[in-house]
Amino acid sequence: DVKVTQSSRYLVKRTGEKVFLECVQDMDHENMFWYRQDPGLGLRLIYFSYDVKMKEKGDIPEGYSVSREKKERFSLILESASTNQTSMYLCASSFTFGSGTRLTVV
Amino acid sequence: QQQVKQSPQSLIVQKGGISIINCAYENTAFDYFPWYQQFPGKGPALLIAIRPDVSEKKEGRFTISFNKSAKQFSLHIMDSQPGDSATYFCAASPGSGAGSYQLTFGKGTKLSVIP
Repeated sequence: DVKVTQSSRYLVKRTGEKVFLECVQDMDHENMFWYRQDPGLGLRLIYFSYDVKMKEKGDIPEGYSVSREKKERFSLILESASTNQTSMYLCASSFTFGSGTRLTVV
Repeated sequence: QQQVKQSPQSLIVQKGGISIINCAYENTAFDYFPWYQQFPGKGPALLIAIRPDVSEKKEGRFTISFNKSAKQFSLHIMDSQPGDSATYFCAASPGSGAGSYQLTFGKGTKLSVIP
């Protein structure tokens, strides 16, 4: 089975901090995705990548960037965290999701 | 513009009953239709999926019915159990080409199975 590992289950960060969320997959997949999940809004696509060093904007990329230096690792970066970025962040490799990172920005 | 509409938002079913969740899509380029199950605090887990070349797919107590002409698909959970209580999401993706793994999700259905 594909395993998608997100490095943190819970994070608390301060407004203005730079935040890194890490995601690693073990099945040599080319396609990786970052979503955020909010009550009433469902899952929304932030960024995705089809190959190393390649990235594409999803539906809500503002305030975020990504990095894919190695095929197995896809990082989401909050350049300057804000309270409206408090959310559950989900990484996916192809159609398999990680357990999520619950981020709270205070 | 919501491309995948899911209903109902919430559903209460008695143990042993049938749970039915419906989804409708607009984009005819969608070619792969998965359902995900999500428990609180966990990531969505792929439950069952279908492609439009078949009208039904069954895995254990879970069945997807697919109506290509109506652009609708549904999840049926037979003999529903309290352990099935979770949020269910339908999704759709192009299934081929550069965007083949990019999913568009419905808003989710919270299922509660009561004893």
